[in-house]
Amino acid sequence: GEDVEQSLFLSVREGDSSVINCTYTDSSSTYLYWYKQEPGAGLQLLTYIFSNMDMKQDQRLTVLLNKKDKHLSLRIADTQTGDSAIYFCAESMDSSYKLIFGSGTRLLVRP
Amino acid sequence: DAGVIQSPRHEVTEMGQEVTLRCKPISGHNSLFWYRQTMMRGLELLIYFNNNVPIDDSGMPEDRFSAKMPNASFSTLKIQPSEPRDSAVYFCASSPSREQFFGPGTRLTVL
Repeated sequence: GEDVEQSLFLSVREGDSSVINCTYTDSSSTYLYWYKQEPGAGLQLLTYIFSNMDMKQDQRLTVLLNKKDKHLSLRIADTQTGDSAIYFCAESMDSSYKLIFGSGTRLLVRP
Repeated sequence: DAGVIQSPRHEVTEMGQEVTLRCKPISGHNSLFWYRQTMMRGLELLIYFNNNVPIDDSGMPEDRFSAKMPNASFSTLKIQPSEPRDSAVYFCASSPSREQFFGPGTRLTVL
């Protein structure tokens, strides 16, 4: 069945890199996403990756995909206090537009 | 572009009352999604529409919940009668293809 798992919490110092990890169970997942949610707000799409890619970079964000281990990570370089939020990993299959979300990782950036 | 618009932003009602949540998707997007977010259950997909037609409503909790999309620019999610366990943040999202763009949400409290 479909399941997406994330660690609940990550704390980093401002200026350091953050790495948020996610594992998924469905090997037929075709698209994998990272969303950011700030307090009291909706989810903001940060980036997504097709399953035929290993890596995608967008400014301070780097997404790595290990299909063999069904592991997805989001690296944020030079983490800022404004990056403090909950980060959600999500997957979808080619056959459906439905997104399956993880429980979210709360990132706290310490000054 | 104004993004996805939801109203009301906050709703407080008493158990047994009818609640109607509204969503205006981004113009040109042909898919619309309704999600519910709670601390206990995280983000759950309730229903999604493609070209105004309901495609998957397997996440709708029970018959008290109904959703309509009478045209490409408007959707409603109705709860009748409402119960305290329906208290949550309800998000609407729209999509042109694979990326979903979320509205700010409606925080519903049922007393």
